[in-house]
Amino acid sequence: QQPVQSPQAVILREGEDAVINCSSSKALYSVHWYRQKHGEAPVFLMILLKGGEQKGHDKISASFNEKKQQSSLYLTASQLSYSGTYFCGTEVNTGNQFYFGTGTSLTVIP
Amino acid sequence: NAGVTQTPKFQVLKTGQSMTLQCAQDMNHEYMSWYRQDPGMGLRLIHYSVGAGITDQGEVPNGYNVSRSTTEDFPLRLLSAAPSQTSVYFCASSYSVGGAQPQHFGDGTRLSIL
Repeated sequence: QQPVQSPQAVILREGEDAVINCSSSKALYSVHWYRQKHGEAPVFLMILLKGGEQKGHDKISASFNEKKQQSSLYLTASQLSYSGTYFCGTEVNTGNQFYFGTGTSLTVIP
Repeated sequence: NAGVTQTPKFQVLKTGQSMTLQCAQDMNHEYMSWYRQDPGMGLRLIHYSVGAGITDQGEVPNGYNVSRSTTEDFPLRLLSAAPSQTSVYFCASSYSVGGAQPQHFGDGTRLSIL
């Protein structure tokens, strides 16, 4: 039931854009996105509810396609501070479980 | 604000030993959960609780027990530690699941089983 993320890893130069995808086999109620710096706990970025909404957080935005049970995280004009591992988290329509994805390692270099 | 507090931060055990990882939150959150994080595997759900007295299994529950006697505390017990349980363990809490509430994490416990 763990959602699958792609790509597994990506390296960007400052100013470049990236897209991280999250796909679930279960019907989703919501999708969360978190970022984890090395040696630290994951930190919440944003939540998207079913309805196909798109949200933004500075230069980081996300979309949620409930029909496909997929979400994408968009990072534009990347900064060095964006480096870390990004996780999607999913709430399914049935049950009380909250599952995190496999993670995407993002490295931004000067 | 303390948030979610995990203890200990580091622990080394020998195979076969038992121990309890502590997790406490002061936000009156109903939902609490335990995850283990291994390289390339992301965060995998071990056990979760939707309120005091209610617990259930996640994806990887074997070798672990939990209880929820109070809203604040959700300890994770390793009954007989095995090297495969070497991992980083995170406790998380939120107001609910199904209500689109963010998960709040503790700082993690780094556990090594020799």
